[in-house]
Amino acid sequence: DAGVTQSPTHLIKTRGQQVTLRCSPKSGHDTVSWYQQALGQGPQFIFQYYEEEERQRGNFPDRFSGHQFPNYSSELNVNALLLGDSALYLCASSLYAAAGNTIYFGEGSWLTVV
Amino acid sequence: AQRVTQPEKLLSVFKGAPVELKCNYSYSGSPELFWYVQYSRQRLQLLLRHISRESIKGFTADLNKGETSFHLKKPFAQEEDSAMYYCALSPRDDKIIFGKGTRLHILP
Repeated sequence: DAGVTQSPTHLIKTRGQQVTLRCSPKSGHDTVSWYQQALGQGPQFIFQYYEEEERQRGNFPDRFSGHQFPNYSSELNVNALLLGDSALYLCASSLYAAAGNTIYFGEGSWLTVV
Repeated sequence: AQRVTQPEKLLSVFKGAPVELKCNYSYSGSPELFWYVQYSRQRLQLLLRHISRESIKGFTADLNKGETSFHLKKPFAQEEDSAMYYCALSPRDDKIIFGKGTRLHILP
């Protein structure tokens, strides 16, 4: 079991561009959440997808959007990139509303906006 | 407001000495509390959760609802404990609110 996998691991974008990050959940998991971790900060919840729908959303602008596919994998899209979007983007997977649920994190995608 | 506060950005402790990483939370209700750890060059992983009352790698954490605290403790620090530690709460298991983290540095 490969656990949660994310791609790409590192990327550099220019202000104003758009970026797509990808995540494959741990085998057997149906829920994917995305977090942004700026340097020196804890991860901040962006949103969560289950059954191909956004179920919860944190305090992030509409420039941040996502998608979940029938195989439970997910994408995070960020439009009109700002310098402040530079961060580690973490994907986490879990089993929706399962008692005693354990959430597993990927290694993250490092995004640098220049 | 839902918030997790870790007052120490960096904590340096000698090997063999006791460790206490502080965590306070703000939440109106009964959240689930966690400690996550991130070792150098590794992914974020769950260390322990308050409902399981387990001791993982010698670490324990007691939930004090009166003080809204969930401090992480270990009686004797080991060099391999050096890592970034995040206290977190979850209103439900599927959304996590993290503190800013405390870097634990074990001195030889």
